[in-house]
Amino acid sequence: GAGVSQTPSNKVTEKGKYVELRCDPISGHTALYWYRQSLGQGPEFLIYFQGTGAADDSGLPNDRFFAVRPEGSVSTLKIQRTERGDSAVYLCASSLGTGLETQYFGPGTRLLVL
Amino acid sequence: KNEVEQSPQNLTAQEGEFITINCSYSVGISALHWLQQHPGGGIVSLFMLSSGKKKHGRLIATINIQEKHSSLHITASHPRDSAVYICAVRFRPTNTGNQFYFGTGTSLTVIP
Repeated sequence: GAGVSQTPSNKVTEKGKYVELRCDPISGHTALYWYRQSLGQGPEFLIYFQGTGAADDSGLPNDRFFAVRPEGSVSTLKIQRTERGDSAVYLCASSLGTGLETQYFGPGTRLLVL
Repeated sequence: KNEVEQSPQNLTAQEGEFITINCSYSVGISALHWLQQHPGGGIVSLFMLSSGKKKHGRLIATINIQEKHSSLHITASHPRDSAVYICAVRFRPTNTGNQFYFGTGTSLTVIP
């Protein structure tokens, strides 16, 4: 596609439920990033993929969060046993690779945990 | 500790004014990214720089590596420039990948 897309654009769930957030990066981009942005804050790094592997998952807040990218393209961020504090905008970005390439951001998924 | 600080936090300007937004960071970096985020909208990359100065239209970004400081300037500001401007840096060493650390953003409002 022309840009990074994310689905759903909005997700409302109840505390304790499981959610999946999807990211479609720009075709050919090997690097993919997940960020989380809380209200009034800058984005916070969660995880970075290079190809199919998670090169850096140091930003995942706890073991309820997990992300996959099985074919090196689409990625899914999975959150188990959601908590109200997980409510945020989850942003995905992709770039051609490591180094100084520009990251292109998706529109984000707004998650609300009630 | 890796920190990114932006100032001011909020900025209101009259249309046509020259605007400066500042970004300071605590340790050495390999790259700095200026981003624009409109309310309810996605994030758009403005500049990626590691030294010197870049210009695109009415936007100018500078970086001083020794002082660990970058500025984003907007000349002849316009109401459509109203957005949150975010500074993000990639700290050295780079063996942790290409993750960026973000400032909290500067909310700019340009009044007609």
